[in-house]
Amino acid sequence: GENVEQHPSTLSVQEGDSAVIKCTYSDSASNYFPWYKQELGKRPQLIIDIRSNVGEKKDQRIAVTLNKTAKHFSLHITETQPEDSAVYFCAASVEYGNKLVFGAGTILRVKS
Amino acid sequence: GAGVSQSPRYKVAKRGQDVALRCDPISGHVSLFWYQQALGQGPEFLTYFQNEAQLDKSGLPSDRFFAERPEGSVSTLKIQRTQQEDSAVYLCASSLMSGSNEQYFGPGTRLTVT
Repeated sequence: GENVEQHPSTLSVQEGDSAVIKCTYSDSASNYFPWYKQELGKRPQLIIDIRSNVGEKKDQRIAVTLNKTAKHFSLHITETQPEDSAVYFCAASVEYGNKLVFGAGTILRVKS
Repeated sequence: GAGVSQSPRYKVAKRGQDVALRCDPISGHVSLFWYQQALGQGPEFLTYFQNEAQLDKSGLPSDRFFAERPEGSVSTLKIQRTQQEDSAVYLCASSLMSGSNEQYFGPGTRLTVT
């Protein structure tokens, strides 16, 4: 089955700097890759997603890139703010059933 | 509109007790998923419904876990004879239809088995 690896497990950046979180997946059939932000004690919130027919997607300060050949995808956050501090999860799914396989998460701390 | 809701938000059970966790998906969402999230980990898939049909239960860890969605809307996850290793946050997610991948999560039920 699908396996998703996520790095780093923790990331500290200064406010205003960029943050990059990387994930790799094992199943070449996976075609949907969402990113979720989870604050302490709260629900995971979908922040951006990408499908396998595109290589990059941007939404204001957040972007995701996908390399299907290498089977990896990355989240980029520019101009980080303290409110970006949270745990970020990447995930992957194949078409059938749409169940998501999650990475282990990255704790992002933005220092002001 | 209203998001996915779950109840109870917190549940403490003595080992051996049965528990029932409820999920109310977004109105009109066809697909419903249950995930288990252990402390400091990512959510792990348990089971999936399309309307009232349970299409995938490959993630249920044992036959003590049972899920149902009899009318294709509200779902209940039942855990019989709870064990300490069942302690986790149980998350429900729904999506509009099969093939529409965006899943929206509820706040979860934190289960603590003592």
